[in-house]
Amino acid sequence: DAGITQSPRYKITETGRQVTLMCHQTWSHSYMFWYRQDLGHGLRLIYYSAAADITDKGEVPDGYVVSRSKTENFPLTLESATRSQTSVYFCASIIEGQGETEAFFGQGTRLTVV
Amino acid sequence: AQSVAQPEDQVNVAEGNPLTVKCTYSVSGNPYLFWYVQYPNRGLQFLLKYITGDNLVKGSYGFEAEFNKSQTSFHLKKPSALVSDSALYFCAVRSGGNEKLTFGTGTRLTIIP
Repeated sequence: DAGITQSPRYKITETGRQVTLMCHQTWSHSYMFWYRQDLGHGLRLIYYSAAADITDKGEVPDGYVVSRSKTENFPLTLESATRSQTSVYFCASIIEGQGETEAFFGQGTRLTVV
Repeated sequence: AQSVAQPEDQVNVAEGNPLTVKCTYSVSGNPYLFWYVQYPNRGLQFLLKYITGDNLVKGSYGFEAEFNKSQTSFHLKKPSALVSDSALYFCAVRSGGNEKLTFGTGTRLTIIP
């Protein structure tokens, strides 16, 4: 299916474990983003990427790592999960060079760290 | 730095009445403003945007928003609310040349039958 796909949709992990959330888009959009959604905070930007092999920190990057070896994939890794990283994570993408265009979002991954 | 404020966590409106969800923003340069809606267990769906031109923009599902530069606001409106409009609404801003999209904290809209 065309669009932006996140996997898994739901994940339970233990404190201290490494976990990777996947994001795949079929449009070849240059820009991709990871947000976390928490009650009272709305959506906060974790990391973003302007193109393959180009990534930058957002508002709340601590404890997260990203990579972008291919344009269509933008995985987010929690190196050592903590309970404060329990959240809903959203991946999004935007067409390059068209700042006026809206972002497209995946369905989200609900992560619980126990 | 750019920011968005949604001053109301919760808005309740009777079905058939007009609704308004408030948003104010702060950004350097010209703002690009967006409204998104989120239904339970779903991702964000784009509703409408203001880029330039007419201050009143129309979007999906009968929603519209009014851009007010002097008040730095971009309130979401609908003339007649439906129960199906009940959802979480997010306002977002981006400035020209900056691809990062900054969101407000969201407003939960409940339409009462």
